[in-house]
Amino acid sequence: QQPVQSPQAVILREGEDAVINCSSSKALYSVHWYRQKHGEAPVFLMILLKGGEQKGHEKISASFNEKKQQSSLYLTASQLSYSGTYFCGTARLGGGAQKLVFGQGTRLTINP
Amino acid sequence: DTAVSQTPKYLVTQMGNDKSIKCEQNLGHDTMYWYKQDSKKFLKIMFSYNNKELIINETVPNRFSPKSPDKAHLNLHINSLELGDSAVYFCASSQVPNSDNEKLFFGSGTQLSVL
Repeated sequence: QQPVQSPQAVILREGEDAVINCSSSKALYSVHWYRQKHGEAPVFLMILLKGGEQKGHEKISASFNEKKQQSSLYLTASQLSYSGTYFCGTARLGGGAQKLVFGQGTRLTINP
Repeated sequence: DTAVSQTPKYLVTQMGNDKSIKCEQNLGHDTMYWYKQDSKKFLKIMFSYNNKELIINETVPNRFSPKSPDKAHLNLHINSLELGDSAVYFCASSQVPNSDNEKLFFGSGTQLSVL
């Protein structure tokens, strides 16, 4: 089942903060976050493995609430380089390989 | 050195043709994947191979046939191309099988346009 992201798009000025949410109707065991810049490949940001865990990457951090089956990505003091589409993904094993199912993406635009 | 490389980067072809996309990874990973990203940016898994063995096969038409000659290579052959096959196809790899917390390394993608 595909996780649901919100909002679908965000437009910010440089230096502003943003929050991207990811929720699932099924139990979450791990949440993966990726960023894809226009015309490029998705790039790994972080994985959150257990409830309540928070991780950080540059000024980007994330939290994971297992009970609510949600994860949120926080972008603080956004920079122009943060522009792109952010995907969350939920993973499960399928016959020995990781099946990562992505949300529909959140497009983040940072303006100077 | 590029970690996961795909060729070609762009592929423009007519309906009904057969085409292949090649992928190679030099990371020493055991698991490779094909993902399809449609025009709405929806990124969906198609196949996964673990050390040359097909592990995940999502509901993909039989016209799509992956082949892994060795664990560093995963190719995708598409027969009788249709308009709906137009998308960006990403190859990816991950290090450890039997794990649901592995980061994926993606190739730069192949933009397929079927006319």
